[in-house]
Amino acid sequence: EAQVTQNPRYLITVTGKKLTVTCSQNMNHEYMSWYRQDPGLGLRQIYYSMNVEVTDKGDVPEGYKVSRKEKRNFPLILESPSPNQTSLYFCASSLFTSGTTYEQYFGPGTRLTVT
Amino acid sequence: DQQVKQNSPSLSVQEGRISILNCDYTNSMFDYFLWYKKYPAEGPTFLISISSIKDKNEDGRFTVFLNKSAKHLSLHIVPSQPGDSAVYFCAASEGRDDKIIFGKGTRLHILP
Repeated sequence: EAQVTQNPRYLITVTGKKLTVTCSQNMNHEYMSWYRQDPGLGLRQIYYSMNVEVTDKGDVPEGYKVSRKEKRNFPLILESPSPNQTSLYFCASSLFTSGTTYEQYFGPGTRLTVT
Repeated sequence: DQQVKQNSPSLSVQEGRISILNCDYTNSMFDYFLWYKKYPAEGPTFLISISSIKDKNEDGRFTVFLNKSAKHLSLHIVPSQPGDSAVYFCAASEGRDDKIIFGKGTRLHILP
């Protein structure tokens, strides 16, 4: 089954304790991305990657790191989490096509609480 | 500055009627536009998209219209069904290799 998986699905942590949220896709997609969803703010892109070893900042990259060492994996790293990073996080992937669209497949989300 | 705006936080439509969700954008360099649908406790799912070289794209009950001069796009759902009740996000990008900007979403309620 084609899917994007994220782990963990729920995480409660304390300020300053480094954490990693993993993301994996089995569709051989080139493009992967991380978003956060907050009430009243919709979805905001954190980082994206167009292929292995190619990453770029989205709209809200501060406080986050990513890496893309393999095509299928795109972990999100919070080196020193703070309470304002409490949010619902989504990973997504898509296949570049030669046509006019690209459609992202989203993971189920990771709800992170930083106290 | 919000580049993609969905000015209606919510919309209620009678089952069987047409639902029209609107989206405005400010960046004239955007050339790909997408609509996503999101149910509670799930990730968004892709619905339909349109390139700036087109002004209309249809997929079953869903049609997206793009008015470049007005920097406006809309999603039409006809006929509306109970399963269409969800949050709808409009998104835009300057190209396949650029970041994607989402609107804040519109919650659609389909009334029986």
